[in-house]
Amino acid sequence: QKEVEQNSGPLSVPEGAIASLNCTYSDRGSQSFFWYRQYSGKSPELIMSIYSNGDKEDGRFTAQLNKASQYVSLLIRDSQPSDSATYLCAVNGVDSSYKLIFGSGTRLLVRP
Amino acid sequence: DVKVTQSSRYLVKRTGEKVFLECVQDMDHENMFWYRQDPGLGLRLIYFSYDVKMKEKGDIPEGYSVSREKKERFSLILESASTSQTSMYLCASSTPFGTGSGNTIYFGEGSWLTVV
Repeated sequence: QKEVEQNSGPLSVPEGAIASLNCTYSDRGSQSFFWYRQYSGKSPELIMSIYSNGDKEDGRFTAQLNKASQYVSLLIRDSQPSDSATYLCAVNGVDSSYKLIFGSGTRLLVRP
Repeated sequence: DVKVTQSSRYLVKRTGEKVFLECVQDMDHENMFWYRQDPGLGLRLIYFSYDVKMKEKGDIPEGYSVSREKKERFSLILESASTSQTSMYLCASSTPFGTGSGNTIYFGEGSWLTVV
């Protein structure tokens, strides 16, 4: 079983819709959770971090964390074509304070 | 502003060559990382370093070595390049992770290596 799992997609949504990206993780002791956006041919860039159960909002982005279900999600409201990218979920490894464990990413396509 | 700089963006090397990929960060971060990223395989950790002269193997260290002589610089070395090492290589840095620490990994722009 992979430690951080994401649906590879592509997830296709129309412009203006809400895109919902999901991630599950296996290590129940994980404490830090991150979402990165990666455009084709570019390096990942951080868009959201979350540490406590519940929702965290930043502009059009909302991260949701449910530690009991070992589930973290990213909602993108009013999706734009410029949001089309691969979204990587990352979780810190409990056995080491040094590492993040990345999922393989979900590709999002926002149709104009 | 956070800055991780990879000196070589695009390289073409021959099989058997020794290849050096250099990375410098200006954030005084303790941790530095080398990943490779391949289509369908995601980000895979090659090596990481949590202090000067300290290193630990990641998930795919075979065929690679690293050097960290100064805090700001972390080098990846391909001792004898092979075609299977054609990939995008990403350097990154961070402070140590902890509960609610607000730390995260910052990536360089990537180095595209082709081995022919």
